[in-house]
Amino acid sequence: NAGVTQTPKFQVLKTGQSMTLQCAQDMNHNSMYWYRQDPGMGLRLIYYSASEGTTDKGEVPNGYNVSRLNKREFSLRLESAAPSQTSVYFCASTEGRADPSFSTQHFGDGTRLSIL
Amino acid sequence: GQQVMQIPQYQHVQEGEDFTTYCNSSTTLSNIQWYKQRPGGHPVFLIQLVKSGEVKKQKRLTFQFGEAKKNSSLHITATQTTDVGTYFCAGPTSGTYKYIFGTGTRLKVLA
Repeated sequence: NAGVTQTPKFQVLKTGQSMTLQCAQDMNHNSMYWYRQDPGMGLRLIYYSASEGTTDKGEVPNGYNVSRLNKREFSLRLESAAPSQTSVYFCASTEGRADPSFSTQHFGDGTRLSIL
Repeated sequence: GQQVMQIPQYQHVQEGEDFTTYCNSSTTLSNIQWYKQRPGGHPVFLIQLVKSGEVKKQKRLTFQFGEAKKNSSLHITATQTTDVGTYFCAGPTSGTYKYIFGTGTRLKVLA
């Protein structure tokens, strides 16, 4: 059982380049999330998708776009990468519950992104 | 907006010593969750606390949820090298799909 799979695991970009981070889950979860993790700042929510066909902004959405391609896949796109976007990016998913605030998060292994 | 703070940011302990990390929310929480992230790894769910004043134990780990449901703590008794990692608390924004993670406490255990 793979759980949450993220690709690529590592990437180096030049300023201004674009790229898409891929995330797929095989747990039939309804909700999916993208976080970034920076030293001393914990996990900050970029975007989330409560269910297929919906996306919403989190705490730090500027410079990013997302696509919920289907129930399994949720991608994060950097249109014009900036050094401030150097970070570790985690995708997560949660099962659907009547009250979503009681769901627990399942994380992928992360993508380590460096922007020069 | 809702904020979740954790202290301390770092903690170094000798193997066998106890360790405690504290989590404080600016708002009342419906529940609080704790996650552990090993170095180079991803966060893994440990436990969820729901009731005011709730205490749960997992072997050497003891989790508490405050009476006002705005704070929580994680206590590890007699730390081992396998306890190394960063411990995060997470509080949901009530009735939504959004979670606010604390800044984390990085634990280092010296053998």
